Amino acid sequence: GEDVEQSLFLSVREGDSSVINCTYTDSSSTYLYWYKQEPGAGLQLLTYIFSNMDMKQDQRLTVLLNKKDKHLSLRIADTQTGDSAIYFCAEKEDYNNNDMRFGAGTRLTVKP
Amino acid sequence: DTGVSQDPRHKITKRGQNVTFRCDPISEHNRLYWYRQTLGQGPEFLTYFQNEAQLEKSRLLSDRFSAERPKGSFSTLEIQRTEQGDSAMYLCASSQGTSLTQYFGPGTRLTVL
Repeated sequence: GEDVEQSLFLSVREGDSSVINCTYTDSSSTYLYWYKQEPGAGLQLLTYIFSNMDMKQDQRLTVLLNKKDKHLSLRIADTQTGDSAIYFCAEKEDYNNNDMRFGAGTRLTVKP
Repeated sequence: DTGVSQDPRHKITKRGQNVTFRCDPISEHNRLYWYRQTLGQGPEFLTYFQNEAQLEKSRLLSDRFSAERPKGSFSTLEIQRTEQGDSAMYLCASSQGTSLTQYFGPGTRLTVL
C-alpha cells in the first residue's frame, strides 16, 4: 500500500531552524500537507503544496518538494518554544479522492 | 465561525457498551470526514459525507461502526459493542466544496476498559 513516513523525533534549540522530513510512496500524490498537533488539541493545517510546485514559503515556514525522490520537507525558521508539537505530513491523490493519508508524525522539541 | 466542534471530548466506557460521538462542522462546509488516531500514529481515514450522503467508507470501518449525517449538518459516529482495540482519538474534519483543505476538530478520546 501507499505509505507516508517521517522520523519520529527532532530536537532543536530555540532560535535555530528546524527541518522536518517526509517521504511518500504514491507517485500519484497531488496534494501534500503539513499539519501541527499540540497536546490535547486537534490538527491545525499549517500549509499545503501542489505536486507541480517545488517550494512554498509562508512567513517562517518553507516547504520544499522533490517530486522525483518523493520527498517533502518543512523548514521552520527561528524556531520558538511554542513550535513544540507533533508535525504530520499528509498526502492526497487528487481532488476527488477523499482518503488523506498521514505519516506517524514528528515530535518537535524546542529547548530554550 | 467557531470551527469544528466535537462532543464529548473524552469518553470512558466498558467493553461491550455502545458509544456515540457528535461532530459539528464549520457551518458552510458541505463535506465532513471522520478519522481515527491511535497513540503514536497519524490519523486514518474512516468515512466521508458530502451533505447527507455517505460517499466513502474505509475498510477500517467494521460493521460495529455506523455514521450518519441526517440533515447534512452535524454528524454522529456510533460504535456498538465496543472493544479495547477501539480505544483511540476520533477526529472529525470538514471542508467546503472545491476547497482542498480539511479543518479538524479537537477530537473525542475514547477509552474502552
